[in-house]
Amino acid sequence: AQSVAQPEDQVNVAEGNPLTVKCTYSVSGNPYLFWYVQYPNRGLQFLLKYITGDNLVKGSYGFEAEFNKSQTSFHLKKPSALVSDSALYFCAVRDATDSWGKFQFGAGTQVVVTP
Amino acid sequence: DGGITQSPKYLFRKEGQNVTLSCEQNLNHDAMYWYRQDPGQGLRLIYYSQIVNDFQKGDIAEGYSVSREKKESFPLTVTSAQKNPTAFYLCASSIGTSEREKLFFGSGTQLSVL
Repeated sequence: AQSVAQPEDQVNVAEGNPLTVKCTYSVSGNPYLFWYVQYPNRGLQFLLKYITGDNLVKGSYGFEAEFNKSQTSFHLKKPSALVSDSALYFCAVRDATDSWGKFQFGAGTQVVVTP
Repeated sequence: DGGITQSPKYLFRKEGQNVTLSCEQNLNHDAMYWYRQDPGQGLRLIYYSQIVNDFQKGDIAEGYSVSREKKESFPLTVTSAQKNPTAFYLCASSIGTSEREKLFFGSGTQLSVL
């Protein structure tokens, strides 16, 4: 069975400071990893994904994430946070070895960026 | 613009009533999904469909039903058997069911019980 953990319910950061949202995962086979962002009363928007190759993945809105196989982590980062980055962030994993690998989502991390 | 349209945005259900949530996509995607979102619990899969006229139960299918008569449409019915239906419901689609494919989401429907 696959699982995703986002250990922080909320992350608070001042505008202009680096932002990190943590994610660890567990799958039987190789992982495909995704980050999504949700603004209030809206659906989820895709930010980035790791399938294979370079461990550092760059995505939308200046976000990036680093895949660390030994630590089974896929933390989301942004060098300089904006107030508009305040939203709910979800990490998700699929198992590459499943015949139909459904998405397993984490519980989400609320990011609050203060001016 | 291509995308996924969910309606209505807000829906209220009376006790014993069935309600249907609409989901339409014009992305020409084969696969469609329904998720339920509760605060602090992330997203849980209700039903998914890989092709027309075929669908499968997800993790929390009890009290829900779906149909997939057209590629573009995947309506979800919340039946009276679902005793705790208050939640935010999200419809999603993907080009196929390859593990590499990302999900595209609609804007959601908030269902509340009167």
